[in-house]
Order: sequence, then structure tokens, then C-alpha cells
Amino acid sequence: AQSVTQPDIHITVSEGASLELRCNYSYGATPYLFWYVQSPGQGLQLLLKYFSGDTLVQGIKGFEAEFKRSQSSFNLRKPSVHWSDAAEYFCAVGANPNTGTASKLTFGTGTRLQVTL
Amino acid sequence: EAGVAQSPRYKIIEKRQSVAFWCNPISGHATLYWYQQILGQGPKLLIQFQNNGVVDDSQLPKDRFSAERLKGVDSTLKIQPAKLEDSAVYLCASSLNRGYEQYFGPGTRLTVT
Repeated sequence: AQSVTQPDIHITVSEGASLELRCNYSYGATPYLFWYVQSPGQGLQLLLKYFSGDTLVQGIKGFEAEFKRSQSSFNLRKPSVHWSDAAEYFCAVGANPNTGTASKLTFGTGTRLQVTL
Repeated sequence: EAGVAQSPRYKIIEKRQSVAFWCNPISGHATLYWYQQILGQGPKLLIQFQNNGVVDDSQLPKDRFSAERLKGVDSTLKIQPAKLEDSAVYLCASSLNRGYEQYFGPGTRLTVT
């Protein structure tokens, strides 16, 4: 069964500081990995995804993530956080589309990011 | 391009009452998903449609939840009767096809008292 662990429930960083949100996954084949962001009262917005190829992927809003198969990790990073980045961040894993299986996503429990000025 | 639309945005009902949520996916998207997001948790897939057929409903509590997508476009999710533990945000998402990235609507926040 696929699963995602986000070990940090809540993180506080100062504006302008760097950010790393951790994500570990469990999946029996080549995973399809995502990071979503959710602002209060809003739906989820896709930040970036990893499907195959280059293990360092760039996303929107200056975010990037690195896929490390040996560590089963897909950590999200941003070099300089802005106050508007305060939100909840979800990591998710799904089936690789090339396998032809259903595209069910399994989400982690989320990390709430607080940004201090 | 219009996003995924959901209504209502908020709903408060008493336990044992029924409730229905509506979702209109992005035009041309074949796959539609309903997720349940309980406070403090990540979204959990309830049901996935491919056009008007069900692909996965393994986590749908079928004794009280039902969903349909009759014409392969918009969809409704119904709860009858509601329980206190059904209090959650119900998110609808759509994707161009299976395996493609999913786009989420704003959700419906349900409170069962």
C-alpha cells in the first residue's frame, strides 16, 4: 500500500530565510510525486510534480523539490521565503501514468508553514 | 480557463439529515475525483470517475454516501444520513485523463451538529 509521511506538523521560519519541508513516501514501484499548497479556505494548488528524468524539479512560486530514491524522499525547498508563502503544504504519491493503473493520490497529513516578519 | 467549481461552499446540517454537493470539472476533463479532508489530515479519495463510470470507490462508505456523474461532466456527492464524523471539507478535483495532474476546486465545508 502506498503512503506518505510528513514528519513536521508545523514549521515557523522568518521571512527571507530558506525553507525545507520533508516528505517520505512508501510505494512499490516508480512513484509519481507531488507537492500541493493549500491556503485557508482554498482548494489545493499544484506546486510541482516529479514523474521521471531529472531528480531536481522546479515549480511555481520559486519552489523546487528533489527526488531521492535511495531515501524514499521528495523534500520541498525554497531559498527565500515570503510572507505570502504561509499556508499548508501537502506531499502526495500516485501511480506512474505509464503503468496504466488508476491515478489515485495518497496525501500526507500536511505541514503548516508560518512565516514571521 | 475556468477552474473546478463546487457548491455550496459551506453547509451546516444536523445528524441524520441528508446533504448533496455539486461539482463541475474543468471543461474536457475526463477524470473526476471526490476527496474528504478531515481537519488536520490530508485529503482522502472517496471516489474516482472516468467519464461517467466509476474507477475506484473502495474508500466510499456506501451505506451512507453515494455519487454520480451521469453525463460524464458534472457530479453530485450525497450523504444520507449524515453522522457527526462526516464533518469535513469535501474537495472535488478533475484531470484531463487518468494519471494526469489533478486540479482542485475550493471545496465544501460540511459541519454536522
